[in-house]
Amino acid sequence: GAGVSQSPSNKVTEKGKDVELRCDPISGHTALYWYRQSLGQGLEFLIYFQGNSAPDKSGLPSDRFSAERTGGSVSTLTIQRTQQEDSAVYLCASRIGGGGRGEQYFGPGTRLTVT
Amino acid sequence: GDSVTQMEGPVTLSEEACLTINCTYTATGYPSLFWYVQYPGEGLQLLLKATKADDKGSNKGFEATYRKETTSFHLEKGSVQVSDSAVYFCALSANQAGTALIFGKGTTLSVSS
Repeated sequence: GAGVSQSPSNKVTEKGKDVELRCDPISGHTALYWYRQSLGQGLEFLIYFQGNSAPDKSGLPSDRFSAERTGGSVSTLTIQRTQQEDSAVYLCASRIGGGGRGEQYFGPGTRLTVT
Repeated sequence: GDSVTQMEGPVTLSEEACLTINCTYTATGYPSLFWYVQYPGEGLQLLLKATKADDKGSNKGFEATYRKETTSFHLEKGSVQVSDSAVYFCALSANQAGTALIFGKGTTLSVSS
């Protein structure tokens, strides 16, 4: 079956521009996570959605970052006024439920380069 | 807070050599433990997991045992192949609804023939 998909696969943007990154989770997965993978910081949690509950935004690095999840499915991560330190691979993962023991399935990521 | 520490690489081995990648964790309670692998040009995929003390996760010839007394989850393989060349991440998840994965920094493994 289809896995987690993300678009675009690569994005190059100029400093100060806004970007939107998209994630399509596996159908039926109620939990959705965004992570960031960068050389200096490794893999970091950004935000978590579970069903219709309020998202856990505790990992967002600044108020320039926001995310939404429409209809409990597709999610969009928005970065406003991008900075060079935002350059990283942004990974989306989904899980069938919200418990801690289940596997998270990762998408291929979006490589963001801010010039 | 919770954290994961894994040995730094790169690890360079010849085909058929034994592999151990050390991973230790700090967590309150009893987390679930995971090894994820990232092959060149591909996304993260789960390699194996263990959800309670003394559990052994295994897959593709890799094994890791959840050791609560030493707070460790070392990854082992008796005979590596060139196709095992990848970056390996140790991770934990607290057993509470909604908790995210906390990853180690990753260990790059390079296997030559």
